[in-house]
Amino acid sequence: NAGVTQTPKFQVLKTGQSMTLQCAQDMNHNSMYWYRQDPGMGLRLIYYSASEGTTDKGEVPNGYNVSRLNKREFSLRLESAAPSQTSVYFCASSLTGTAYEQYFGPGTRLTVT
Amino acid sequence: QQQVKQSPQSLIVQKGGISIINCAYENTAFDYFPWYQQFPGKGPALLIAIRPDVSEKKEGRFTISFNKSAKQFSLHIMDSQPGDSATYFCAAEDSNYQLIWGAGTKLIIKP
Repeated sequence: NAGVTQTPKFQVLKTGQSMTLQCAQDMNHNSMYWYRQDPGMGLRLIYYSASEGTTDKGEVPNGYNVSRLNKREFSLRLESAAPSQTSVYFCASSLTGTAYEQYFGPGTRLTVT
Repeated sequence: QQQVKQSPQSLIVQKGGISIINCAYENTAFDYFPWYQQFPGKGPALLIAIRPDVSEKKEGRFTISFNKSAKQFSLHIMDSQPGDSATYFCAAEDSNYQLIWGAGTKLIIKP
C-alpha cells in the first residue's frame, strides 16, 4: 500500500517550458487535491477533484490545468512555466466528505529559471 | 477569502516543556479543525482533528483546545521531545469540503 505517490521528486524548468506533474493514490479515495507550498504562506489549493470526471478551481488556479484521468490518478500541468511557479507541489487525497483527513504525497520541488 | 490565522511563526521550546500553537478563524461555518505535522522534505500528515461541538480532544501528548465563542483553537504538545521538531499547520474544513490552511509554525525542541 503505497498511499499517495508523486513524480518527479525534483524538476528544473526554463521559463516558457511545459511539464506535467503526476499523482496517484491506491486508497480508493474519491477526492484529490493539488497544492503549492511557499515559505510563510502555508498550503494553497490549486485545483481539486471531488470525484472521477470532475475538477474545480481552488485559490490559485492561474497558469495550471489538471486532468482526473481515473479514480487513482490526478495530474497537474504547467503549460508555460514562469519563475512565480517555483514552489513545492503536493498532491493529496481523501474520502468523500472527510476533507479534514487528507493524505499527502512526498511533494515535487519545482524550480523555474 | 476566508482566513485562518496562525501564531507564532516559529517557536523554540526546551525538551520536556509545553509547546502551544494558536489559530483563529473568521467563518462560523467550518465543520472540522485539523492539525497537521510536516517534517522537512515530507508531505503534511494529519496529527489530530476536532469538531466544533467539542471543547477539547486529547491524543497522547497532543491536545486540541477549542473555543467556539472566541473562534480560536490551539494545539498543546505536552512533554515536548526533539522528535516533535517540525512545522505544524492548523486548518479548517469549510462547507465545500476544502481545507483553509494557517501559514504554519516551525517548532524547534531544544535537547
